[in-house]
Amino acid sequence: AQSVSQHNHHVILSEAASLELGCNYSYGGTVNLFWYVQYPGQHLQLLLKYFSGDPLVKGIKGFEAEFIKSKFSFNLRKPSVQWSDTAEYFCAVNPSYRDDKIIFGKGTRLHILP
Amino acid sequence: NAGVTQTPKFRILKIGQSMTLQCTQDMNHNYMYWYRQDPGMGLKLIYYSVGAGITDKGEVPNGYNVSRSTTEDFPLRLELAAPSQTSVYFCASSLNGDYNEQFFGPGTRLTVL
Repeated sequence: AQSVSQHNHHVILSEAASLELGCNYSYGGTVNLFWYVQYPGQHLQLLLKYFSGDPLVKGIKGFEAEFIKSKFSFNLRKPSVQWSDTAEYFCAVNPSYRDDKIIFGKGTRLHILP
Repeated sequence: NAGVTQTPKFRILKIGQSMTLQCTQDMNHNYMYWYRQDPGMGLKLIYYSVGAGITDKGEVPNGYNVSRSTTEDFPLRLELAAPSQTSVYFCASSLNGDYNEQFFGPGTRLTVL
């Protein structure tokens, strides 16, 4: 079945550690890709997005993500995390043939230890 | 701009009761969406609308109804509440579909006892 997979459900890191959250999707063809973040008690907000062009995209708060088409992946990275990055992160995919909807992954809950 | 607003923030219902979750956006967005978020399950699309007067089912529409009489408002109706509908409900909007960013409301936490 077509889907969006986030490999880690729960990640715990210490401050200053490097972060990589995996995301794979199973849709063929052109896709638009997103990472959303939900801080505790807040609603979802866009972290970054990829539509076309440079496969390495930079978002807010020092986050970046790399689109690797051959691997159907869009992993999220940050070189040095902060306590304020504690949140839930959702990868989302918009397949080109479903231009009205975005498919969300199940989310990765990130907990940063001070 | 207030963005996407939702009311109420919290609600407890008894089995069989009905209620309407309100969603309003002031960004003149064409597309609006209702999701439910369950722990460890991510967001599942309930219903969506591509414009006033047009609605369509998402992944988990059973037990819910929607209407879109204006561009701004997209209420979600639960007719006969069931414990399985205990969840956090998010409304979202986007200018158009496709690759436009979705803007989310603050959510409504619903408990059905």
